[in-house]
Amino acid sequence: GAVVSQHPSRVICKSGTSVKIECRSLDFQATTMFWYRQFPKQSLMLMATSNEGSKATYEQGVEKDKFLINHASLTLSTLTVTSAHPEDSSFYICSARGTSGDEQYFGPGTRLTVT
Amino acid sequence: GNSVTQMEGPVTLSEEAFLTINCTYTATGYPSLFWYVQYPGEGLQLLLKATKADDKGSNKGFEATYRKETTSFHLEKGSVQVSDSAVYFCALRRWSGGFKTIFGAGTRLFVKA
Repeated sequence: GAVVSQHPSRVICKSGTSVKIECRSLDFQATTMFWYRQFPKQSLMLMATSNEGSKATYEQGVEKDKFLINHASLTLSTLTVTSAHPEDSSFYICSARGTSGDEQYFGPGTRLTVT
Repeated sequence: GNSVTQMEGPVTLSEEAFLTINCTYTATGYPSLFWYVQYPGEGLQLLLKATKADDKGSNKGFEATYRKETTSFHLEKGSVQVSDSAVYFCALRRWSGGFKTIFGAGTRLFVKA
């Protein structure tokens, strides 16, 4: 089956620094990737949708200058949390959709803790 | 707007018990409905789906029927196993300037031996 990986799985960073999270589709080409944020005991909230080679589309209320998304290739998307603050601490999940069908495949998530 | 509401967990059952996790949705038009499962330390996996009213999705002994009249998509399994312990997410997907998937809050299931 289609596999999506995320790296790192956990990261701790100091307030004010930036952190990059990678999302890779390992055995298929992902024309579209989605980034979600999940708070404890809450649902996944879509942050942005990115198509390979074009700018990401952000959901209302998501700061595009704070959450930089790059989808430079058909197998890699990155989310950079810039000038992180403790309130950015969360579980970030990426998802990828291939060229055929509309199935979404999810990565295992990245736990970000900002101290 | 579009939303998904599912029963709050955790749900704790003994092995071989019957499982129901309720899910209702609000949406315009005719969304597709999904159940995803997340095992500890892993990403969400598609469990089953239904794309139109009265469709029944099934997989691994789990079933859910798309009920448009009650806007529901309840998940059921006749006899749960310890290995079914996970978090279950109900979701809908519709076109809104692109496919968008909206998730419920998730329901954690614990199955005791």
